[in-house]
Amino acid sequence: KAGVTQTPRYLIKTRGQQVTLSCSPISGHRSVSWYQQTPGQGLQFLFEYFSETQRNKGNFPGRFSGRQFSNSRSEMNVSTLELGDSALYLCASGPQGSYEQYFGPGTRLTVT
Amino acid sequence: DQQVKQNSPSLSVQEGRISILNCDYTNSMFDYFLWYKKYPAEGPTFLISISSIKDKNEDGRFTVFLNKSAKHLSLHIVPSQPGDSAVYFCAARGYSGGGADGLTFGKGTHLIIQP
Repeated sequence: KAGVTQTPRYLIKTRGQQVTLSCSPISGHRSVSWYQQTPGQGLQFLFEYFSETQRNKGNFPGRFSGRQFSNSRSEMNVSTLELGDSALYLCASGPQGSYEQYFGPGTRLTVT
Repeated sequence: DQQVKQNSPSLSVQEGRISILNCDYTNSMFDYFLWYKKYPAEGPTFLISISSIKDKNEDGRFTVFLNKSAKHLSLHIVPSQPGDSAVYFCAARGYSGGGADGLTFGKGTHLIIQP
């Protein structure tokens, strides 16, 4: 089976812009979660989607949003980018009935 | 408030010996624990997990031990191999008012296997 794929892999944006990141889960996985990794805060949970519905949300401002499509693919959006949003954004998918999550390679976002 | 703590930022072990990575947690609502391995420029790779109803789970060279009363878990790698050199993350899943939460991660331990 193909793993979790994320596009783009690298992105450079300017402060104040918005950005959309994409994630395709492992075939058959209906749960998709997003995480932010920074040197200072480590890996932090953003949100989780299951069957097109947001099931959980971490402690991030409303500028961070996401959605999931009927084919389980997911996107996350960050509006009004700030310098502190520079991070590695990781997507993970999981099979139904399991807590195990399988991560993609991530999107490295740099905000200048 | 760090709910999952990995107190050793790095650990150096000789090839062939046992590597023991430790993790402590504070939230008693955590009921499932996972270990991930991460190489630079890659996403974390799932290694092994354990439910809170168990105290040990084994998979090949990897064994995870859970001590619920001490809120402590450890990952044992035997024997350690050069390819095991990576950053290891401990993660936990629990419940809050709305149901199961996302994973809470520790800050990671960089394991270095010396030849």
